[in-house]
Amino acid sequence: SQKIEQNSEALNIQEGKTATLTCNYTNYSPAYLQWYRQDPGRGPVFLLLIRENEKEKRKERLKVTFDTTLKQSLFHITASQPADSATYLCALSGGGADGLTFGKGTHLIIQP
Amino acid sequence: DADVTQTPRNRITKTGKRIMLECSQTKGHDRMYWYRQDPGLGLQLIYYSFDVKDINKGEISDGYSVSRQAQAKFSLSLESAIPNQTALYFCATSDPQGADTQYFGPGTRLTVL
Repeated sequence: SQKIEQNSEALNIQEGKTATLTCNYTNYSPAYLQWYRQDPGRGPVFLLLIRENEKEKRKERLKVTFDTTLKQSLFHITASQPADSATYLCALSGGGADGLTFGKGTHLIIQP
Repeated sequence: DADVTQTPRNRITKTGKRIMLECSQTKGHDRMYWYRQDPGLGLQLIYYSFDVKDINKGEISDGYSVSRQAQAKFSLSLESAIPNQTALYFCATSDPQGADTQYFGPGTRLTVL
């Protein structure tokens, strides 16, 4: 069965450093990989999308890489700030019409 | 105004009661979804709809039903609520242009006693 793995333990990073989150998947050939941010008690918010034929995508302080050989995506937040503290979800899509499969998320804590 | 709204935001009910959660959207998207989220389990898809006449079961549809009253409205019903349906419920819409990027509502926190 399809499986998406994100580090279930909280990730503690000092303010100003780069935070790197990992998303690994098995039994899947996604056409797209997406990252979302979720704050406690609120709905996830879309951040970035990367296609299977793209290696890297950037948006302001965010960077996503996608390695279809390793079946892995890395999500980087540079110059991290306490306001970046949240849970970050990885989601895969086959490009068809059946929606996304979400990972369980990684809780990121940026310490002042 | 929010693009995707959900009512109620919080609800406490008793075992065996029927309850309906409602979702409305102003994004003009045809695709709508219902998810539930439990601590440590991530988002699980309950039902999804690609238009008013197209309803599909997700991975955990047992115990739930849905109604797509219009392009903008998608309701989730629990016919006879049970305690293990206590969870955070999210409605979402998606852009049909390939990538299925999802736009979520604020969520409904449901407690079944």
